[in-house]
Amino acid sequence: KAGVTQTPRYLIKTRGQQVTLSCSPISGHRSVSWYQQTPGQGLQFLFEYFSETQRNKGNFPGRFSGRQFSNSRSEMNVSTLELGDSALYLCASSRSGRASDEQFFGPGTRLTVL
Amino acid sequence: GQQLNQSPQSMFIQEGEDVSMNCTSSSIFNTWLWYKQDPGEGPVLLIALYKAGELTSNGRLTAQFGITRKDSFLNISASIPSDVGIYFCAGSFMTTDSWGKFQFGAGTQVVVTP
Repeated sequence: KAGVTQTPRYLIKTRGQQVTLSCSPISGHRSVSWYQQTPGQGLQFLFEYFSETQRNKGNFPGRFSGRQFSNSRSEMNVSTLELGDSALYLCASSRSGRASDEQFFGPGTRLTVL
Repeated sequence: GQQLNQSPQSMFIQEGEDVSMNCTSSSIFNTWLWYKQDPGEGPVLLIALYKAGELTSNGRLTAQFGITRKDSFLNISASIPSDVGIYFCAGSFMTTDSWGKFQFGAGTQVVVTP
């Protein structure tokens, strides 16, 4: 069974640009969560989607947005990039999005903002 | 979400040594999780704990749910080179919580030298 896949794996952008990251969950998983990981800060929760609806949202500015499609694939978008947005962006999927269901992480997209 | 206090931040150990790390929270938790993240990969769940005082092993890894319910510990015995990576904890008050409610530690970087 294929794991969570994320594309692209690496991305370099400049300040002010926007970026779209993609995540394909494990087949049968309807919940997709996004996290930002930076050294020393650990994982910061961005948002969670379930059945095409944003169900939870972390404490990030409106420049960070996402969506989920009917096949459960998800995208996140960051507009007007800032240097501080450089990070590893992780996507994770689970069946229901509840802690009782194990959450499986993708390998991440490494975003560098110059 | 909020961050847990995880220590140490990094450890440089020799092959064969034991490793200990811990996470503390200002809130009482009912679920503690420990993950390992290999370089260039997403986190993988190592051990899940659901009961205060619980001691659970996974091979050479042993994790404990602190009796105060505000801390958890992870031990790696007889370390080997493939133990290198970042280990981090996650905690939540309810197993019915969504993943958005989880708090994460910043991680412990483990480096094993031959």
